[in-house]
Amino acid sequence: DQQVKQNSPSLSVQEGRISILNCDYTNSMFDYFLWYKKYPAEGPTFLISISSIKDKNEDGRFTVFLNKSAKHLSLHIVPSQPGDSAVYFCAASSLNRDDKIIFGKGTRLHILP
Amino acid sequence: DADVTQTPRNRITKTGKRIMLECSQTKGHDRMYWYRQDPGLGLRLIYYSFDVKDINKGEISDGYSVSRQAQAKFSLSLESAIPNQTALYFCATSDPTDAGSEQFFGPGTRLTVL
Repeated sequence: DQQVKQNSPSLSVQEGRISILNCDYTNSMFDYFLWYKKYPAEGPTFLISISSIKDKNEDGRFTVFLNKSAKHLSLHIVPSQPGDSAVYFCAASSLNRDDKIIFGKGTRLHILP
Repeated sequence: DADVTQTPRNRITKTGKRIMLECSQTKGHDRMYWYRQDPGLGLRLIYYSFDVKDINKGEISDGYSVSRQAQAKFSLSLESAIPNQTALYFCATSDPTDAGSEQFFGPGTRLTVL
C-alpha cells in the first residue's frame, strides 16, 4: 500500500516557465511533508518542507502548497532553470511513527532550453 | 568534506558472496538509516537505528543485516548476495531535535550482484 504517491514519472518544462510537481498521500496522520532533489550519482538533498498545520511554504523560487482536505501537495518552481533538471521525491513523516520518512517513487523533471 | 560518506561507491560481486557497505557521518546525529533505490520504486527503508545498539527493521529488511557499534558508523551487510539486491544503496542521518525530520544522505553505493 503506497502511502505517498507521485503519479507522474516524468515532466518536461520550458526554461523560464513554472514547474509543478504533484504528490498525493493517504495517511492523514502525517505531520510534515518534504521534497528532496536528486542528481545522478549523488544522494538526495533536502529542498523544502511544510508542516501539516500550514498550507504554504516558500523559499526563493520554490513553493510548496498543502491541501489537507484533498491529501495533496505540490511543489512549484518558478522560474525553472536548467539546474532544476533532477529527480524530485515527495516524502512524508509522522512524529508518532518513529521519525521514519515515507518516500514517493519520484518524478524526473526535464528543463528544456 | 562530506558529512555522510559511504564506502565503497561501487561494488560488483557474485551471487552467494557476503558483502558489507559502510556508512560514516560527522554530523553528530544519533539517527541513521539505510535505503535502497530501484528504478521506478523510489527509496525504500531497509533498517534504521536511533542510537548505538538500537536496530529497527524497515519495510524491506529480509536478506540484510546491520550493525551500529558507534554513533558515527552504521554498516549494512548482505549475508549471501542475490541478483535482485542489485540497486543503489543510500545511508542517511537525522537529528531528532529538528522539526520535520530532515534526513541527510550520503552519495550512495551502486551494488551489482552477478
